[in-house]
Amino acid sequence: DQQVKQNSPSLSVQEGRISILNCDYTNSMFDYFLWYKKYPAEGPTFLISISSIKDKNEDGRFTVFLNKSAKHLSLHIVPSQPGDSAVYFCAATRGSNYKLTFGKGTLLTVNP
Amino acid sequence: EAGVAQSPRYKIIEKRQSVAFWCNPISGHATLYWYQQILGQGPKLLIQFQNNGVVDDSQLPKDRFSAERLKGVDSTLKIQPAKLEDSAVYLCASSSLLAGGITDTQYFGPGTRLTVL
Repeated sequence: DQQVKQNSPSLSVQEGRISILNCDYTNSMFDYFLWYKKYPAEGPTFLISISSIKDKNEDGRFTVFLNKSAKHLSLHIVPSQPGDSAVYFCAATRGSNYKLTFGKGTLLTVNP
Repeated sequence: EAGVAQSPRYKIIEKRQSVAFWCNPISGHATLYWYQQILGQGPKLLIQFQNNGVVDDSQLPKDRFSAERLKGVDSTLKIQPAKLEDSAVYLCASSSLLAGGITDTQYFGPGTRLTVL
């Protein structure tokens, strides 16, 4: 039972354009969501997070949107840069249980 | 600030052999996690320590996997005996989170890529 789903295995965008990565979850108990970025041969690095009490969180070029009714979140990268090319993982957790449940990841390729 | 250190980076073994991975978390981080990432999947939590106590090991295959956190700092994860399906990247992460605190960022090490032949 996959509780966090990233249905697009890959995404390709042009440099300077917007990248939109999507994530769906099934467990309504999740109340905190995170995005991690992973380069080859490296561990995931934290990118941005959002609490369920918010519907938007912004950090520079990165914005995460949360739609609780649809159990959907998205990561927007504007403008996209070639250095953003990586695998992006969506993760979720709930309450005092700090175990992260990850999606399968989306490979983003930003073409110069 | 030094990051999470893991060794070895790569390991190739035959099935039924034993293997051990080592992790040194960020200094001062109370919580340590071991994840298994199979190719094409997201990381899956195997075990979570707070200091030297186990918080969650519900997804650890205890018949073959074991882990310990010595003195609440370094940790080792062992597989004995290994199976073909154990081929994966084993990631260690740490956070300064304590129980009852606000969700905190987990910092990941580079991982150990295990190949079981």
